[in-house]
Amino acid sequence: DARVTQTPRHKVTEMGQEVTMRCQPILGHNTVFWYRQTMMQGLELLAYFRNRAPLDDSGMPKDRFSAEMPDATLATLKIQPSEPRDSAVYFCASGLATVHGSNNQPQHFGDGTRLSIL
Amino acid sequence: TQLLEQSPQFLSIQEGENLTVYCNSSSVFSSLQWYRQEPGEGPVLLVTVVTGGEVKKLKRLTFQFGDARKDSSLHITAAQPGDTGLYLCAGGITDTGNQFYFGTGTSLTVIP
Repeated sequence: DARVTQTPRHKVTEMGQEVTMRCQPILGHNTVFWYRQTMMQGLELLAYFRNRAPLDDSGMPKDRFSAEMPDATLATLKIQPSEPRDSAVYFCASGLATVHGSNNQPQHFGDGTRLSIL
Repeated sequence: TQLLEQSPQFLSIQEGENLTVYCNSSSVFSSLQWYRQEPGEGPVLLVTVVTGGEVKKLKRLTFQFGDARKDSSLHITAAQPGDTGLYLCAGGITDTGNQFYFGTGTSLTVIP
C-alpha cells in the first residue's frame, strides 16, 4: 500500500535550533497538509497545499514557521528558531482533490515526527 | 475555540459493551469523516458521510450524519480490545477545498 513518509520520526534538540521536517506524499496526490498534535489542542492544521501552491497557512506562526513544496514529491516544514512550546507531534497528510471545493476525499496521514525542544 | 466538539473525551469500557461517541458543531458541514488513531501512528480514515441523515455501517461500527449536517455519532456494538484508540471526527466545509477541521477527539480503551 502507498504511504505518506515522514522523516525524521523523532527529533530532540535545544531551543533556538533550526528544525526541518520532511514529508513525501503519496504519488499522484495533489494536496498536502501539515498538522500539529498536542494533548491540549488536539490536531491543528498548520498549512495546506494544493498542486504545490500554498492555499492556507493561517494556522502557522509566521515569524518562526515556514512550509514549502520544492517539488511534488517533497514537502518541508521548518521551525527557526525553535522554542519549547513547539514540542508536539507533527503530521503530514496527502490527498487527491479531484473537484475544486470538493472535500470528500480522504486524507492519508504519515506516522508523524515527534519533536521535543529542550 | 474548536469548531467540532467530541464527547466523551475519555471512555473506558469492558469488552462486549456498546458505546456511542458524539461529534457536535454549530456549523454546517458538506461532509464529515471519522478517523481512528493508534499510539505512534497517524489517523486512519474509517468512513465519510456526505448526506444529512446518512447512516453507514462498518462491521460493528455505525456512523450517522445529523439531518442538519451539524453533528455526527459513532456507535460501536460489542466493543473489542482492538477498538482501542483515539477517534477523531473531521468536518469539511464547502469552499475550503480539501481542508477538514478536526474534532477534539475521544480516547477509547476497551478492557479485555
